[in-house]
Amino acid sequence: GAGVSQSPSNKVTEKGKDVELRCDPISGHTALYWYRQSLGQGLEFLIYFQGNSAPDKSGLPSDRFSAERTGGSVSTLTIQRTQQEDSAVYLCASSLGVFGTDTQYFGPGTRLTVL
Amino acid sequence: AQSVTQPDIHITVSEGASLELRCNYSYGATPYLFWYVQSPGQGLQLLLKYFSGDTLVQGIKGFEAEFKRSQSSFNLRKPSVHWSDAAEYFCAVESGGGADGLTFGKGTHLIIQP
Repeated sequence: GAGVSQSPSNKVTEKGKDVELRCDPISGHTALYWYRQSLGQGLEFLIYFQGNSAPDKSGLPSDRFSAERTGGSVSTLTIQRTQQEDSAVYLCASSLGVFGTDTQYFGPGTRLTVL
Repeated sequence: AQSVTQPDIHITVSEGASLELRCNYSYGATPYLFWYVQSPGQGLQLLLKYFSGDTLVQGIKGFEAEFKRSQSSFNLRKPSVHWSDAAEYFCAVESGGGADGLTFGKGTHLIIQP
């Protein structure tokens, strides 16, 4: 079946602009995760959704970051007033549930470049 | 807080030679352990995982890993590497609740020499 998809695959934006990154999880997966991969910080966990709910938003880097999920499916990560330090690859993953035994399947990522 | 250490940033191996990538974790209890591989421009692909039971786990592409509680290690091995194995390898740990996400090591970049 189809895997996790993300769009766009690449996004170049100017400092100060807002961007939206989209994730389509595997059908039937109730849990969805966002990670950020950068040279300096490696892979960082940002936020997860169980259904449409994100119980803990403390992993988001700043209040310029927000995320939502609708219909238990598609999720959007929004970065407002982008800064150069936001440049990174943003990865989305989904799993059947949030139990530790539920394997996370990753999408190809969105490479964000802030000029 | 849990953490993962991959001490080798780069490893170079000749094609056909054996491979071992090291991973050490820090966690109070037995964590759930994973190895993922990332090829250039690609997302992360799960190679194998350990939850409980047999400490030697088999994965895809001929990889295996051994969980050693006494050493807090989960090293990845392959008896004979192929040029297509060149990639970035990440060890990861999950506390078991899932909700904290995966904690990754910094990764090991594997280079295959012909």
